[in-house]
Amino acid sequence: EIVLTQSPGTLSLSPGERATLSCRASQTIRRNFLAWSQQKPGQPPRLLIYAISSRATGIPDRFSGSGSGTDFTLTISRLEPEDFAVYYCHQYDTSVTFGGGTKVEVK
Amino acid sequence: QVQLAQSGSEVKKPGASVKISCKLSGYTLTDLSILWVRQTPGNGLEWMGGFAPERDETIYAQKFRGRVTMTEDTSTDIAYMELSGLRSDDTAVYYCVAEWELLYWGQGTLVSVSS
Repeated sequence: EIVLTQSPGTLSLSPGERATLSCRASQTIRRNFLAWSQQKPGQPPRLLIYAISSRATGIPDRFSGSGSGTDFTLTISRLEPEDFAVYYCHQYDTSVTFGGGTKVEVK
Repeated sequence: QVQLAQSGSEVKKPGASVKISCKLSGYTLTDLSILWVRQTPGNGLEWMGGFAPERDETIYAQKFRGRVTMTEDTSTDIAYMELSGLRSDDTAVYYCVAEWELLYWGQGTLVSVSS
């Protein structure tokens, strides 16, 4: 099973700042099947990025994904008030596993 | 517009079974792969299983194998997930999700297991 480790656990930032979230895999994700989702309280997760760097429909371009192999990054270029939430990475290369999440909170 | 509408909350005793439905609209079940994911405070998000089109079969996470059954009724575009032998740590919100990228999510079904 591919284990995904997200860091940091919590990121305290102000609106307008840049957020950089990390997701590290225990083994190489071969087919680029790595995605990022956002979850707000009381809601299901919402897909932001799939295949490492492709934005899902309707996702603003301030969200971007990058990486390869075992190290992946979600970047939010300028935080908007609605971006404060929990972010999860997941891989769908070998079954599906999730990272533990990164909470982006208001500083 | 794809929508996944799940059945309502359930309260079950330990050892019982629960069957959750997931009605797809905007597409048909033959167009999409349906997966099931649960979310617990302790274990976060967990994939339970789903239809793998490259294998043309439903595959289950090892943790749930033998206790979970996922089925689909293509005449009504409803997917089902049945979990048996419920324990207190099965208390969770259960989601049906479309596609392996987890593109579309149902609203979630809370299953509470308590004696």
